[in-house]
Amino acid sequence: GENVEQHPSTLSVQEGDSAVIKCTYSDSASNYFPWYKQELGKRPQLIIDIRSNVGEKKDQRIAVTLNKTAKHFSLHITETQPEDSAVYFCAAPSRGGADGLTFGKGTHLIIQP
Amino acid sequence: EAGVVQSPRYKIIEKKQPVAFWCNPISGHNTLYWYLQNLGQGPELLIRYENEEAVDDSQLPKDRFSAERLKGVDSTLKIQPAELGDSAVYLCASSLYGGFSYNEQFFGPGTRLTVL
Repeated sequence: GENVEQHPSTLSVQEGDSAVIKCTYSDSASNYFPWYKQELGKRPQLIIDIRSNVGEKKDQRIAVTLNKTAKHFSLHITETQPEDSAVYFCAAPSRGGADGLTFGKGTHLIIQP
Repeated sequence: EAGVVQSPRYKIIEKKQPVAFWCNPISGHNTLYWYLQNLGQGPELLIRYENEEAVDDSQLPKDRFSAERLKGVDSTLKIQPAELGDSAVYLCASSLYGGFSYNEQFFGPGTRLTVL
């Protein structure tokens, strides 16, 4: 099955600075990589995803990059704001490319005013 | 459009008691997932349904956990008997369809279970 590693576990940045969260995966058959944001006590919500036919995807202040050769993908948040404070999870398909997800352990992003 | 609905939101039981969680997915979503989320961890897949068929239940502890989705719509996850280590948030999610199509999974608010 898939194994997803996520780093760092905690990330503190000044408001306005950029934040980068990195994930690696093990199954070369995986070709879909979503990122979820979970605020305290709330449900995970998809913020961006990328499929293996592209190397980068951007949506306003959020971008995701994918390196299939190295089997890693990253989340980039620019011009961070207080509302970006949350736990972020990367994920990849659990087995053989099917769509149950294996999640990373999460990154607690703290935006310092 | 209503989101994924789960009930109850919170449940406190004593160990060895049974407990059940209910989920109603977004209307028209064929695929339903149950995840377990321990404090400070990412969700872990327990079972995935395509309509009423459980197509991936390899991570479901079958000695005490069971699930059903009889009419291919809402689903129930049961634990009997509950153990202290079962304390966690149980999340339900749904997507339009599964397989290799990679649809967005929409999560419910979860049921927070505390076993005393």
